[in-house]
Amino acid sequence: DTAVSQTPKYLVTQMGNDKSIKCEQNLGHDTMYWYKQDSKKFLKIMFSYNNKELIINETVPNRFSPKSPDKAHLNLHINSLELGDSAVYFCASSQNVRGGLGGDTQYFGPGTRLTVL
Amino acid sequence: SQQGEEDPQALSIQEGENATMNCSYKTSINNLQWYRQNSGRGLVHLILIRSNEREKHSGRLRVTLDTSKKSSSLLITASRAADTASYFCATKGYSTLTFGKGTMLLVSP
Repeated sequence: DTAVSQTPKYLVTQMGNDKSIKCEQNLGHDTMYWYKQDSKKFLKIMFSYNNKELIINETVPNRFSPKSPDKAHLNLHINSLELGDSAVYFCASSQNVRGGLGGDTQYFGPGTRLTVL
Repeated sequence: SQQGEEDPQALSIQEGENATMNCSYKTSINNLQWYRQNSGRGLVHLILIRSNEREKHSGRLRVTLDTSKKSSSLLITASRAADTASYFCATKGYSTLTFGKGTMLLVSP
């Protein structure tokens, strides 16, 4: 069984369209994340949810809206897609959130390669 | 920002050699983690070292942490072609992980 799964794996779309990426984890973790990895492989966190509550929202355009129907799912909806949105988007999950010396080992999904034409 | 910076950006070695990658960061941390990313795949956690630890081993991996210099190193001994991947350090402060830009390792047979 895949621990963190994402769909679709590839997404090619035109500028201005709206699209969604889905993520599910079966690890029983409390926290889920969305990352964006650009063409230079730089991985930047976008959002983090803990038990369906938004806890981290980095400076991401409000065209990006995460939705967490339950703690095992975190979907990403993107409105009015732009060329600069082309990237690989990774979902991840972890058990711990804050503080302490340990924890927050993250488990990543396989990624969704988004290409905006 | 406490973003980690890996050095070198790319490393090419022969099978059987050791590979050393370095990571520097800017602010205090709770722990530092190393991840591997194979081409076209998600990141996979390799090892975690806490801020009160100086060295940790896992199989062929050895990680050191020097909090006074705000730096860490990852040593892969007796490398194999299957170790070819990008390696990222990630620093954990209070809230979440911040990833560096990665070192691309190529191990030739």
